[in-house]
Amino acid sequence: TQLLEQSPQFLSIQEGENLTVYCNSSSVFSSLQWYRQEPGEGPVLLVTVVTGGEVKKLKRLTFQFGDARKDSSLHITAAQPGDTGLYLCAGAVSGGYNKLIFGAGTRLAVHP
Amino acid sequence: DTAVSQTPKYLVTQMGNDKSIKCEQNLGHDTMYWYKQDSKKFLKIMFSYNNKELIINETVPNRFSPKSPDKAHLNLHINSLELGDSAVYFCASSLGLEVRDEQFFGPGTRLTVL
Repeated sequence: TQLLEQSPQFLSIQEGENLTVYCNSSSVFSSLQWYRQEPGEGPVLLVTVVTGGEVKKLKRLTFQFGDARKDSSLHITAAQPGDTGLYLCAGAVSGGYNKLIFGAGTRLAVHP
Repeated sequence: DTAVSQTPKYLVTQMGNDKSIKCEQNLGHDTMYWYKQDSKKFLKIMFSYNNKELIINETVPNRFSPKSPDKAHLNLHINSLELGDSAVYFCASSLGLEVRDEQFFGPGTRLTVL
């Protein structure tokens, strides 16, 4: 069974701080996706990383895919209250017809 | 304007009842999915359909039966509801079955079984 573990589960920080969220697995995935979910809404895709070692930037968010394609990280620089939400990582199963395995999520609260 | 819509948004029902959740997408996608998100926010795939054909069928009780009348619709019928079925159910769609095909999620249906 393929599993993705996210850490930390909860993160409460002040505006302006930096943070990193981790997504780890013992399995190899063909790609790794990061989603953000607001209360009462469905997850929204932020980024997809495909190649081992790949780094993608989205404004203040930096995503990295591990060399072995088993883990990923999300780094937020100078967090803002608007970054508050549930961050989910999801691994795409190789040959799995776009089947995604989700981590349990990191709930981020950024206080003004 | 809504890309993936679900009805109802909230569903409260008694144990043992049968209920359905409907999903529609206007994105012209070929593939649709049902996910279950439990109280700990763990999101798990249940089913996927591509062009009305069942593709993914995870270990889900037989009480759950998806139906896809056409490419734009994927409904979920649940028989003999149990307390453990309480969760938020999300419908999603993607262009196709390729990993590069982004999945777009609906707003979710919160099911509460009393």
